[in-house]
Amino acid sequence: GAGVSQSPSNKVTEKGKDVELRCDPISGHTALYWYRQRLGQGLEFLIYFQGNSAPDKSGLPSDRFSAERTGESVSTLTIQRTQQEDSAVYLCASSQTGGETQYFGPGTRLLVL
Amino acid sequence: QKEVEQDPGPLSVPEGAIVSLNCTYSNSAFQYFMWYRQYSRKGPELLMYTYSSGNKEDGRFTAQVDKSSKYISLFIRDSQPSDSATYLCASSPGGGGTSYGKLTFGQGTILTVHP
Repeated sequence: GAGVSQSPSNKVTEKGKDVELRCDPISGHTALYWYRQRLGQGLEFLIYFQGNSAPDKSGLPSDRFSAERTGESVSTLTIQRTQQEDSAVYLCASSQTGGETQYFGPGTRLLVL
Repeated sequence: QKEVEQDPGPLSVPEGAIVSLNCTYSNSAFQYFMWYRQYSRKGPELLMYTYSSGNKEDGRFTAQVDKSSKYISLFIRDSQPSDSATYLCASSPGGGGTSYGKLTFGQGTILTVHP
């Protein structure tokens, strides 16, 4: 079946602009995660959605970052007033019930000029 | 101190060599341990998954966890050029609650297997 998909694949924006990144999880997966991966670094947890529970936002680095999820489907990660340090690959993952087997999308490469 | 530490390498080995990749962690609550492989410009894919201490083998790959020393290892036997990738270790506490499924990753080790 289809895996996790993300769009756009690449995004170049100017400092101060807002960007919206999209994630389509695997159908039927109730848990969805966003991670950030800076160049040469491991993945940094951002936010976790599990079913209808309140999301775990503990990894969001500032109030410029927010994310939404519609039911158990699409999620969008929004970064407002982008800064150069926001340049990174943003990865989305989903899992069946919040278990440890997370399936990752290909990521969105964000470059803030 | 990061909760999961991993030597970024890079590590370069000849084809057929045994590769040893390692991580240490500091959070005693971690119960689940994973190794992910990430090819260039791709998302990570799960290689191995273990719970608590012990060994797990899958083909040419063996994962080891020693909770007493908080040490995680991945061994690759008969390494192939196609194994060239970044290998990421990850851990989570599991067990329900808001931390369930929230992975903490190491920095990743870049591995090159040359023919």
